[in-house]
Amino acid sequence: TQLLEQSPQFLSIQEGENLTVYCNSSSVFSSLQWYRQEPGEGPVLLVTVVTGGEVKKLKRLTFQFGDARKDSSLHITAAQPGDTGLYLCAGPVSYNTDKLIFGTGTRLQVFP
Amino acid sequence: DTAVSQTPKYLVTQMGNDKSIKCEQNLGHDTMYWYKQDSKKFLKIMFSYNNKELIINETVPNRFSPKSPDKAHLNLHINSLELGDSAVYFCASSPWTGRNTGELFFGEGSRLTVL
Repeated sequence: TQLLEQSPQFLSIQEGENLTVYCNSSSVFSSLQWYRQEPGEGPVLLVTVVTGGEVKKLKRLTFQFGDARKDSSLHITAAQPGDTGLYLCAGPVSYNTDKLIFGTGTRLQVFP
Repeated sequence: DTAVSQTPKYLVTQMGNDKSIKCEQNLGHDTMYWYKQDSKKFLKIMFSYNNKELIINETVPNRFSPKSPDKAHLNLHINSLELGDSAVYFCASSPWTGRNTGELFFGEGSRLTVL
C-alpha cells in the first residue's frame, strides 16, 4: 500500500521564521502535488512537481521533488500569518490514473 | 462565481437516517470526485466519475451511493447513517485527461455529524 508520510505533523512558529515540511514515501511517484487547506475550506493546489530533482518557486515557497521521485519538500522563507493552514502532499497511485493519495498532512500555525 | 459548490455545508442528523449531499461544478471538467476527510484531517478518495461514468469506487460501504445526472453534477446519498460516517465530505473536479494528473478543484466541504 502506498503511503505519503509528512513531517512534522504540527508546526507553530513566529512570523519571519523559516520552515521546511517533508513528504516521504517508499514508492516512486510520477508526480507530486502540494495543496494548502485553510479552516472551513477545501484544499487548493499550490504546485505540481514532475521531474526528479525539480525545484519550483512560488513567491516565498520553494518546492523540491526528490531525485528518486519518492519524496518532496516545501520550504517557506519568512513565514507570515497568512501561511497558516494544513499543507498536504498528494500523488497518483500509478501512472495514467486520476486516483490521488494524500499525505498525512502538516498543520502550520504562524503567530504574528 | 463558485467553481465547485456543494450543499449543505453542515449536516447534523441521527443514526439510521438517510441524507444526501449535492455537488455542482461550473468549470466544464469531465471528472468529479468525492473525498472523505476524517477528524485527523486525512483525505481519502471515495468515488470518481468521468462524464457520468463511475471510474473509481474505493472500499466504501454500500450505504454510500453516488449519482451523476450529468457531468456537472455529482451527488452523494448515504443510507442508514452510522456514527463513524461523521466527517467532512469534499466534492472535487478535475480536467484530468487520462494521461497525467490534473489539478483537483475542491468544494468547501460538507461537515456531517451523526449523533
